[in-house]
Parts: sequence; C-alpha cells; structure tokens
Amino acid sequence: GEDVEQSLFLSVREGDSSVINCTYTDSSSTYLYWYKQEPGAGLQLLTYIFSNMDMKQDQRLTVLLNKKDKHLSLRIADTQTGDSAIYFCAESPDTGRRALTFGSGTRLQVQP
Amino acid sequence: EPEVTQTPSHQVTQMGQEVILRCVPISNHLYFYWYRQILGQKVEFLVSFYNNEISEKSEIFDDQFSVERPDGSNFTLKIRSTKLEDSAMYFCASSEVRLAGRNEQFFGPGTRLTVL
Repeated sequence: GEDVEQSLFLSVREGDSSVINCTYTDSSSTYLYWYKQEPGAGLQLLTYIFSNMDMKQDQRLTVLLNKKDKHLSLRIADTQTGDSAIYFCAESPDTGRRALTFGSGTRLQVQP
Repeated sequence: EPEVTQTPSHQVTQMGQEVILRCVPISNHLYFYWYRQILGQKVEFLVSFYNNEISEKSEIFDDQFSVERPDGSNFTLKIRSTKLEDSAMYFCASSEVRLAGRNEQFFGPGTRLTVL
C-alpha cells in the first residue's frame, strides 16, 4: 500500500529558512499536500502541488517535487515563531480514490 | 472564512457504549470524510461519503462504525460499541467536487474520544 515518511523533528532559528522533507511510495500519486497542525487545533491546508509540476511558490512557502525520487519538500522562508507546529505531507492517489495518506508529521520548533 | 466544525471537542465514554461524533462540513462541499489519529500515530483515513452513500472506506471502518447525513448540514460518525483502542482524535473533513482529481480537504478541529 501507499506509505508516506517524514523526519520527526526540525529546529530552526527565527528568520532562517526551514525545509521539511517527505518521501512517498505511490507512483500514481496525482496531488500532494502540506497541512499544518497547531497545538489543540485541526489540520490546516497550507498548499498542494500537482504531480506534473516541479515547483510551486505561495508567498513564504515553496514546494519542490522530485517525482523520479518520490521526494517532496516544503520550504518556509523567514521562519517565524508562529510557524512552530507539526507539518504533515499527504498524498492523494489516482482520481478514482479520494482518501489522503498522511506522513507521521514533522514537528517544527522555531527558536527566537 | 467558512470552516468545518465538530462537536463535542472531547467525549469520554465507557467501553461498550455507543458514541456519535458530529460534524458540520463547509456548506457548498459535497464530499465528506472521517479520519482518526491515535496518540503518537499517523492520521488514518476511515471513510468518505458522497451523494448520501459511502464512496470509500478503509479496513479500520468495520461493522461497528457507521456514518450518516441526517439533514442538510450535519455529518455524523457513530461507533456502536466502543473499545479501548477506539480512543483517538477523530477529524471530519470536507471537499468540493472538482475535476482532474484535485481533492483539497478542509479539516475540522477534531473530537478527542477517550474510552475508559
């Protein structure tokens, strides 16, 4: 079945860039998503990328997709303390199925 | 901005009891979902619902689970006879019907279910 893996923890200083990485196994993935979860809150959709794209930029967020290596990354520029949260990548397979498969989440800690 | 809401935020129940978790999806969305996250584990898909029927379900979604859209706004998850291992955070999500596979799902804040 599908599997999505992420490193568990990342610590950066305020103002630096953060890069959160994700790998997935399902070659039929059509869309890949990044979600943010703050303490006690639900999953907030940050951005997504379609599998025929290499890069997508949205303000401070840049998503890079290497489809050959099945590697996805989320770069947050000028990281702020408010960016401290757990970040989940998720993949959505072919158009016949809608279930998202999530990674285990990366806890981003931003040091002031 | 429209959002998915869930009630209650925390539910405590005794093993063997029935629980109903409630969700109000975003009003123009037509797909609805339930996911769960056991403490320390991944978010797992349970079921998706469209046009008043289940469109997809996972192995977790066995006969003790059911979903319903009792009216035009609510979407519920019922667990018939709760077990200790049902303790988890349950997330509801909804999405629009889009062409070409785009499937942006918007999540509620979750209901924490504790089974004693």
